[in-house]
Amino acid sequence: DVKVTQSSRYLVKRTGEKVFLECVQDMDHENMFWYRQDPGLGLRLIYFSYDVKMKEKGDIPEGYSVSREKKERFSLILESASTNQTSMYLCASSITAYYGYTFGSGTRLTVV
Amino acid sequence: KQEVTQIPAALSVPEGENLVLNCSFTDSAIYNLQWFRQDPGKGLTSLLLIQSSQREQTSGRLNASLDKSSGRSTLYIAASQPGDSATYLCAVREDSNYQLIWGAGTKLIIKP
Repeated sequence: DVKVTQSSRYLVKRTGEKVFLECVQDMDHENMFWYRQDPGLGLRLIYFSYDVKMKEKGDIPEGYSVSREKKERFSLILESASTNQTSMYLCASSITAYYGYTFGSGTRLTVV
Repeated sequence: KQEVTQIPAALSVPEGENLVLNCSFTDSAIYNLQWFRQDPGKGLTSLLLIQSSQREQTSGRLNASLDKSSGRSTLYIAASQPGDSATYLCAVREDSNYQLIWGAGTKLIIKP
């Protein structure tokens, strides 16, 4: 089975800090995605990547950036964390459009 | 614009019952549809993926059907167990589009 690993289950950061959320998949998938999930708002796509060094904005990219230097790793960066970025962050990967998504276990980020 | 709706938002049934969760979508031009399960505070687990050319998929006690013409998918859970308690989400992938369009989910509680 494909495994998508998010480096942290829980993170607490201070306002203004630069935060890195890491996601690694082990099956050579081309496509990787970052979502945030909030009560009442569902899953919202932040950024996605079709291939190494490629990135596309999702629905809510403001305040975030991403990095994909290697195929297996997709990093989400909060340049200056704010309290409204407190959320559950979910990473996913997919080999092609024909196949489904595989999600990681999520990172619960709290910005204080 | 594609919209995905899941009704009901919450469902509580006694253990042992067979039950059906519904997912409807407004545009029948989909590539595939995926059902996920999410336990509280956790990531998403893929349950079943149905391609647009398929009518149903089965895994254990789960059976998902797809009727593109009517814009509906159902997830049938046989002989429900307390361990089935979770939020169930459906997501549609549109033709030539890597992004998923999400339903808001059905929160299922199975009472012992």
